[in-house]
Parts: sequence; C-alpha cells; structure tokens
Amino acid sequence: DSGVTQTPKHLITATGQRVTLRCSPRSGDLSVYWYQQSLDQGLQFLIQYYNGEERAKGNILERFSAQQFPDLHSELNLSSLELGDSALYFCASSVGAGGGSYTEAFFGQGTRLTVV
Amino acid sequence: GQNIDQPTEMTATEGAIVQINCTYQTSGFNGLFWYQQHAGEAPTFLSYNVLDGLEEKGRFSSFLSRSKGYSYLLLKELQMKDSASYLCAVSPHNTDKLIFGTGTRLQVFP
Repeated sequence: DSGVTQTPKHLITATGQRVTLRCSPRSGDLSVYWYQQSLDQGLQFLIQYYNGEERAKGNILERFSAQQFPDLHSELNLSSLELGDSALYFCASSVGAGGGSYTEAFFGQGTRLTVV
Repeated sequence: GQNIDQPTEMTATEGAIVQINCTYQTSGFNGLFWYQQHAGEAPTFLSYNVLDGLEEKGRFSSFLSRSKGYSYLLLKELQMKDSASYLCAVSPHNTDKLIFGTGTRLQVFP
C-alpha cells in the first residue's frame, strides 16, 4: 500500500458526461500529480499541484481540470467525455517542492474510466 | 523536450539475468527513475540515478551515463513475479514531474 488513495476504482459513463476523480495523497506529501495511461500509450503526465497551487502542466486537454484543496486532497475533473478518454488515471504524491530535488513519487491504485 | 526510448517487449527464463535499456534525449534533467508496473496496477518505484554509475539494490541494479543519454535496469535471478512492465522515466530540470517512456513488457518463463 503506497498510502495514496484514489476513488472510485472503476467508473463507467457515457460520452458527453462529466466525472470527478479524487485523490488523497500520502500523509505529509504536498505535491500531487495526475497521469493518464491509455492502452497503447505510456503514462502521460497531466498536471501537478503543490500545496494548493498549480506547479506544472503537461498534455492536459482543455476539457480537463484539476484542483488541490486546503486539506491537500486533489480532484481531476473530466468533462464532455469522449470514447478516447477511456484510460487508467493515476494520482501520485511526493514531498516535492518543484525545485528539482529528488523526490520519489508514490502512485495510487488508479481509477479505470470507461466511456461508452 | 524529452524523448525516451525503450524496447517494447522482452522475454527471459526464470533464474536468468536480463538487461532493459533506456535511451533518452532531454535538454536537462534531475535524474532517471525506473518503475515496475504489473498489469492494471500502480507503478512502484525501483531505482533512481542522478550521477553516472551503477546503483545496486538487491536483485535489481540501475546504471546511468548522462553523457550518452543511456540507462539500463539489470534484473538478476529472475523470478516469475518479475513479469511486469518496466518504465524508464526522467525528471526534467527544475521540476518534480516524471516523463515516462512507453515501458518494456518483460515476460519470465519457467
């Protein structure tokens, strides 16, 4: 158990809908990262939050947004869902401060999103 | 930007040694990570290299050559449970995010 909790584990929804994925980081970790993993692709970095503020952005679609709350949990919102959004969505956390020092990232078990 | 290449699939026999290579092109990075991921599960951290050389951790070792943009993960005394995907990742300069390669799927046969 990495200490990172993601809910729900599975989600099935229709195209055009909106869903929210939730992540609770390890105790003491200030950084939360979201990654998308499709069947034919590796882990794609979406976005990082550090202590409530957006710190880095990757290939995140405009239909997707995220936030980190004062209690440090994070939510990833996916809207106007398309079939191609079906993937595993992982959250990871670390103590990282964005300065580039070594910080091991611990991954949650992921949310498997299926868009039908 | 970053470009990370690793073989798509490899096979090996139980008890053997396997080396998984990773080459990368990046404008600057903090370090190179290796993660293990069993199908449908979370990636788990294996190793981290920031300086050139070999880091040994039990049956697993990782090597880095920054000048050559090259790393490898060495797995010794392979066990069936080592069948998994092995992900090479770099942490770009002044960030904490990880940029992953597409992973190498290793199958270990009896």
